[in-house]
Amino acid sequence: GAGVSQTPSNKVTEKGKYVELRCDPISGHTALYWYRQSLGQGPEFLIYFQGTGAADDSGLPNDRFFAVRPEGSVSTLKIQRTERGDSAVYLCASARGYGETQYFGPGTRLLVL
Amino acid sequence: KQEVTQIPAALSVPEGENLVLNCSFTDSAIYNLQWFRQDPGKGLTSLLLIQSSQREQTSGRLNASLDKSSGRSTLYIAASQPGDSATYLCAVKSGGSYIPTFGRGTSLIVHP
Repeated sequence: GAGVSQTPSNKVTEKGKYVELRCDPISGHTALYWYRQSLGQGPEFLIYFQGTGAADDSGLPNDRFFAVRPEGSVSTLKIQRTERGDSAVYLCASARGYGETQYFGPGTRLLVL
Repeated sequence: KQEVTQIPAALSVPEGENLVLNCSFTDSAIYNLQWFRQDPGKGLTSLLLIQSSQREQTSGRLNASLDKSSGRSTLYIAASQPGDSATYLCAVKSGGSYIPTFGRGTSLIVHP
């Protein structure tokens, strides 16, 4: 595709539920990043994939958060037992490789009630 | 741990002014620095990427400079326009790390 796409664009869920957020990177980009952005803050790093493997998942806040990228393209961020504090915009970015320009998707706005 | 600060947090100017947005970082051992624009409710759009070996990059009315020794980058916007209104974020990628650190951004309003 022409750019990074993320689905859904908005997600409202209840506390305790499970959610999946999807990211489709630019074709051929091997690097993929997930971020979380709260209102008035800069994006906060969550996890970085190089190909299929998570090169660094040190930004995941706890074990309720998990992300996969099984074929080195599409990635899914999974959040179990959602909490109200998980409400934020979840951004995905892809790049040709390490250190290259990052291209961001429009984000998924998650609201946990 | 790398810390990135952006000053000012908010800026409102009349159309036509030349602007300087500042980004400072605490660890000068960086790999690159990237400036982004974010429109309300949208994702980030990359404006300029400066590698650690470079001192500046230019794109149209935008010019970004990098001074690693002082831990600073500036984004210069010439002849500002209302369409420049957005939040501007800088992100620093430190050497040896995959993790970019973002500042909180400068919210810019250019009024006609």
